[in-house]
Formats: sequence, structure tokens, C-alpha cells
Amino acid sequence: AQRVTQPEKLLSVFKGAPVELKCNYSYSGSPELFWYVQYSRQRLQLLLRHISRESIKGFTADLNKGETSFHLKKPFAQEEDSAMYYCALSPYGGATNKLIFGTGTLLAVQP
Amino acid sequence: SQTIHQWPATLVQPVGSPLSLECTVEGTSNPNLYWYRQAAGRGLQLLFYSVGIGQISSEVPQNLSASRPQDRQFILSSKKLLLSDSGFYLCARDSRGHEQFFGPGTRLTVL
Repeated sequence: AQRVTQPEKLLSVFKGAPVELKCNYSYSGSPELFWYVQYSRQRLQLLLRHISRESIKGFTADLNKGETSFHLKKPFAQEEDSAMYYCALSPYGGATNKLIFGTGTLLAVQP
Repeated sequence: SQTIHQWPATLVQPVGSPLSLECTVEGTSNPNLYWYRQAAGRGLQLLFYSVGIGQISSEVPQNLSASRPQDRQFILSSKKLLLSDSGFYLCARDSRGHEQFFGPGTRLTVL
């Protein structure tokens, strides 16, 4: 079964502390992995994707196929990082890019 | 522009009443369109997707239906709402780069 698991509903850290949002997936093939973010009063939007291998707003995520994980990391959290973060999987192939989302993690960065 | 419109923004309906949520997109032709539901504690769940006019695929059995009468219009409907239909409904479209763009959402409360 295709599944994305985000074990933490809420992650609270202080400004300047490191952040790691956990994501594990279950998929028999080679999926494409994403992190989406929803800031307060804004639309859900793409943060980064594993094939880009880039850092966005200081965040990085490495796909670990052995552990089937795609954890999101940032060395020094900022208050403006507070938001809801969703890990998502898109199966390769097919006519669409439908996404399977995790349940999300609310990141709260305290001053 | 790749704007996605959804209306209404909020809706309160009694159990057993019908439902019609509308999504329209701008700036692209023949997009893949998606309906997701965000329910409390359950993350984002894909409900329907469409690869073209009149083509609807359902991801989960439920009380809802979808239609695509025009290339840039995607409608979510129900003949009789249930309490469990409450949630936040998001319309999305994807791009050639596999990123999905989301609309502002509709908050549905069934009483």
C-alpha cells in the first residue's frame, strides 16, 4: 500500500534551534517525494522536491531509500518558519501527478 | 497566471442537503485537476482527479461525486450531505514539472 507517515502532529522549537520534521513512506516502486508548506492564511504550496536536491529557505531533505525516509531539516529555525508541513509522495508513471499526503506536522518556532 | 479559484470560501449546510463546490483554473489548457479533502487529524486525502473533460477518477468510495463539464471547471457534488463530509476541500492542478498548485479551499461544515 502507498502511504506517507508523519509521526509528529506538533513540533515546537526555539528560534535558532535545529529542526527535523520526520517523514517515512511506503511504496513498492521509486516515488517522487515532496514537502509542501501552508503558512497562516496562505495557500498550500510546494517547498521542495527530492529530485531538485536544492535548499529552499534553508530547508533540505534527503531521500533515504534504505530507510524509506524523506526528513525535512533546517539547522537554525526562524519564527517565520512556523507553518503546517506536509510530506507527499507521487507514484511514478500514469497520466497524473496525484499526491499521497501525510497527516502533516505543525511547526511552531518560539521566540 | 496559473490562478485557481474556489467558491464558496465557507459553507454551512444541514445534514441531508445537497452540495456543489466549484473550482475554475486560469492560464492553462487541458490541466489535470484534483479534489482533496483535509479533515481534522487525517491530513490531505485525494478524492477525485480528472485528466480531461468528462473524465473522472475516484480514489476513495464516498458520498461525493465530481464532474468536469468544461476544460477549466471542476465541480464537487453531493446529493445528501453527511456529518462526516465536513472538512476543508482543496482543488489543485498540476504542471509539467509535477508540482501541484492549490486553490484557496472551501471550509464545509455539516450540521
